[in-house]
Amino acid sequence: DQQVKQNSPSLSVQEGRISILNCDYTNSMFDYFLWYKKYPAEGPTFLISISSIKDKNEDGRFTVFLNKSAKHLSLHIVPSQPGDSAVYFCAASPIGNFNKFYFGSGTKLNVKP
Amino acid sequence: EPEVTQTPSHQVTQMGQEVILRCVPISNHLYFYWYRQILGQKVEFLVSFYNNEISEKSEIFDDQFSVERPDGSNFTLKIRSTKLEDSAMYFCASRGTGQETQYFGPGTRLLVL
Repeated sequence: DQQVKQNSPSLSVQEGRISILNCDYTNSMFDYFLWYKKYPAEGPTFLISISSIKDKNEDGRFTVFLNKSAKHLSLHIVPSQPGDSAVYFCAASPIGNFNKFYFGSGTKLNVKP
Repeated sequence: EPEVTQTPSHQVTQMGQEVILRCVPISNHLYFYWYRQILGQKVEFLVSFYNNEISEKSEIFDDQFSVERPDGSNFTLKIRSTKLEDSAMYFCASRGTGQETQYFGPGTRLLVL
């Protein structure tokens, strides 16, 4: 079951630069997408979401872009800070069903001071 | 800020034993979930629960698993006869009515020996 894929297991970025995390999905019934951040020994923390009626959603340093035709979304963090170092999970839910999220395998972001 | 809590944080058990993992969802939330993450793998949906019944479950959630809301605040996951492959981090999540986002607890690390 690889309906949500994060093909980069890790990413290293210098502090102050932009971090771009990518996510692809295969199920065209997905219409709501989220990014969660996870620190070791903690649960996933909601970061930002986007519905399929939009192609961009911004919240402070975090912006999520959605390309429906390519079934691709990305999370941009700018400027990146050392505290952003964590594992980032992309998640998706089918149309009208917020009861089941499909998660990607995660990308471990390391922001170097 | 309200948060989902889970107990215990760690649980070690012998294969074949029953375990009960406990969660206290955010107080005004009515939708509850269990997910698990096997070490190094992605977060996987187990079950969703609303109005005292299961809304949806995955193929992982077989007859060995059950969920219950024994009172107005707790939400439990029971594994009747644990197997080695049940070793994982188990996350509880909850969602409010009219909201799309699920909020996760810190997880219970279950180790089956």
